[in-house]
Amino acid sequence: GESVGLHLPTLSVQEGDNSIINCAYSNSASDYFIWYKQESGKGPQFIIDIRSNMDKRQGQRVTVLLNKTVKHLSLQIAATQPGDSAVYFCAETLTGGGNKLTFGTGTQLKVEL
Amino acid sequence: SAVISQKPSRDICQRGTSLTIQCQVDSQVTMMFWYRQQPGQSLTLIATANQGSEATYESGFVIDKFPISRPNLTFSTLTVSNMSPEDSSIYLCSGWDRYNEQFFGPGTRLTVL
Repeated sequence: GESVGLHLPTLSVQEGDNSIINCAYSNSASDYFIWYKQESGKGPQFIIDIRSNMDKRQGQRVTVLLNKTVKHLSLQIAATQPGDSAVYFCAETLTGGGNKLTFGTGTQLKVEL
Repeated sequence: SAVISQKPSRDICQRGTSLTIQCQVDSQVTMMFWYRQQPGQSLTLIATANQGSEATYESGFVIDKFPISRPNLTFSTLTVSNMSPEDSSIYLCSGWDRYNEQFFGPGTRLTVL
């Protein structure tokens, strides 16, 4: 969860298209992963989670994929809407490790009309 | 999930002074945490607020600078002591509830002049 600079990576998509946001996590021992959405001026909001015994989990319009071999997470948003514009963070933790989250860098999603 | 409120929502402070941020959860939570988010960056864990005992601080954060209290299962405070402009940031409180979700407050936006 350490910062890498003042400028978040940005993903621009057209309204109605699918969005894919990627995240590389750092600890191979992590066994629980969460995607958060943060709108301007607000705290992070839980979107979807996945445990390490799964490689895919679906929610409403969102899917999370986990590739433990390369320590990679992705968040897929179907039919992206203007209300999806926000910064998206992945977070990792180790169950039993105090539930402390380590956050990724974050990606700014911009939805163009 | 439970709802977290924070006070103040924002403040502008002079260097050398201290600010105490309050975090209130509308239900009992097992664990509470404090994070810092510098402008345009990701979240970094400051400490785990332990009920009835001293907080557990992450590397780079110390009790003298960020004293934390947690008198019960629904309330915690974070004090930013002897502030400098480098402490300008968003401070976020989070809780871990019985559904195993970690949820966040809206944050306190601090500017130090």
